[in-house]
Amino acid sequence: DQQVKQNSPSLSVQEGRISILNCDYTNSMFDYFLWYKKYPAEGPTFLISISSIKDKNEDGRFTVFLNKSAKHLSLHIVPSQPGDSAVYFCAAIKGNTPLVFGKGTRLSVIA
Amino acid sequence: EAGVAQSPRYKIIEKRQSVAFWCNPISGHATLYWYQQILGQGPKLLIQFQNNGVVDDSQLPKDRFSAERLKGVDSTLKIQPAKLEDSAVYLCASGRGGAAGETQYFGPGTRLLVL
Repeated sequence: DQQVKQNSPSLSVQEGRISILNCDYTNSMFDYFLWYKKYPAEGPTFLISISSIKDKNEDGRFTVFLNKSAKHLSLHIVPSQPGDSAVYFCAAIKGNTPLVFGKGTRLSVIA
Repeated sequence: EAGVAQSPRYKIIEKRQSVAFWCNPISGHATLYWYQQILGQGPKLLIQFQNNGVVDDSQLPKDRFSAERLKGVDSTLKIQPAKLEDSAVYLCASGRGGAAGETQYFGPGTRLLVL
């Protein structure tokens, strides 16, 4: 049973436009949500996180929104740049239990 | 600050052979994680160490996988004997102290192909 779901395997966006990556979860006990970015042949790198007590966290071009009632979070990248092309993983954690990752969404930003 | 180092980067073996992966975490990081990432999936935790003690190994297939972190620094992950379904990228990550939601820093991974 997948606790963290990324239902879109891929997304293409024009450079300069907004990229919206979505993530759904089933466990209401998760208390942190994180986004990781992964380039080919590299390990994932941390991008941004949000605590379950917040509904928005912003860092430069990246904003994560959390809707606890819908058990949904999204990552907004604006404006999108070609260097943002990568696989994005949504992950969630409860206390000190292991990170649970989604399957990832491949973002392609087209110049 | 040097990142998480892993070796080898690639390994091809035949089924029933043994293989070992090595990880050197970021200096001073107390927590070390091994993940398995099968193609098309997200990383799945195999084992978590806090210093040289095991915190969580509930998802480690202990009949064939083993890991150790002697002296609380470097770690090795071993598979013996390997099966076809072990083909995956094995990622090592480290963190400062294991606090909830702490940032984990990943190495480049070891890509294993079992034939």
